Amino acid sequence: AQSVAQPEDQVNVAEGNPLTVKCTYSVSGNPYLFWYVQYPNRGLQFLLKYITGDNLVKGSYGFEAEFNKSQTSFHLKKPSALVSDSALYFCAVRGLYNFNKFYFGSGTKLNVKP
Amino acid sequence: KAGVTQTPRYLIKTRGQQVTLSCSPISGHRSVSWYQQTPGQGLQFLFEYFSETQRNKGNFPGRFSGRQFSNSRSEMNVSTLELGDSALYLCASSWGRGQEDTEAFFGQGTRLTVV
Repeated sequence: AQSVAQPEDQVNVAEGNPLTVKCTYSVSGNPYLFWYVQYPNRGLQFLLKYITGDNLVKGSYGFEAEFNKSQTSFHLKKPSALVSDSALYFCAVRGLYNFNKFYFGSGTKLNVKP
Repeated sequence: KAGVTQTPRYLIKTRGQQVTLSCSPISGHRSVSWYQQTPGQGLQFLFEYFSETQRNKGNFPGRFSGRQFSNSRSEMNVSTLELGDSALYLCASSWGRGQEDTEAFFGQGTRLTVV
């Protein structure tokens, strides 16, 4: 069965500092991993994905994620946080056979303080 | 290029009523999926439609149903509304071609409140 876990409900960082939002996965087969961001009362916006290839994936708005097979992790990172990055972040994995079914983590609220 | 459009954005309904939500996918996308988002349960998959056929289904009661039209637009219906159906309902579209298909694109959601 496909699943992802986000161990932190909330992450607080100061503006300008690096940020990390954690995600671990449990999958059968090759993992198709994603990060989405949600602003209040809005839908999900795609940030980045890992399908295969380089373990460091670059995405939108300066975000990147590191795929680590040995630790079954896919942490989201950004070198310098902005106040406008404050939002709810979701890690997700695609279904093994149901390709258009996504399994989402519980979400991590990122607070970036000025 | 227009994104995924969901209407209406907000709905207030009374227990026992039924409701229909609409989703227009990105032009050319043939797969439409629906998700329910609540604070307690998070994001849960409802069902997926592809070429007017339900292809996948989540673990929701039969009160939740959907359909897809020939232009790929989709509707979701919830009958005999319960208070617990209050949620943000998100629609996602993708090409639906299989493994080469990767990310899904989400609409802004319909906020349903049942009173």
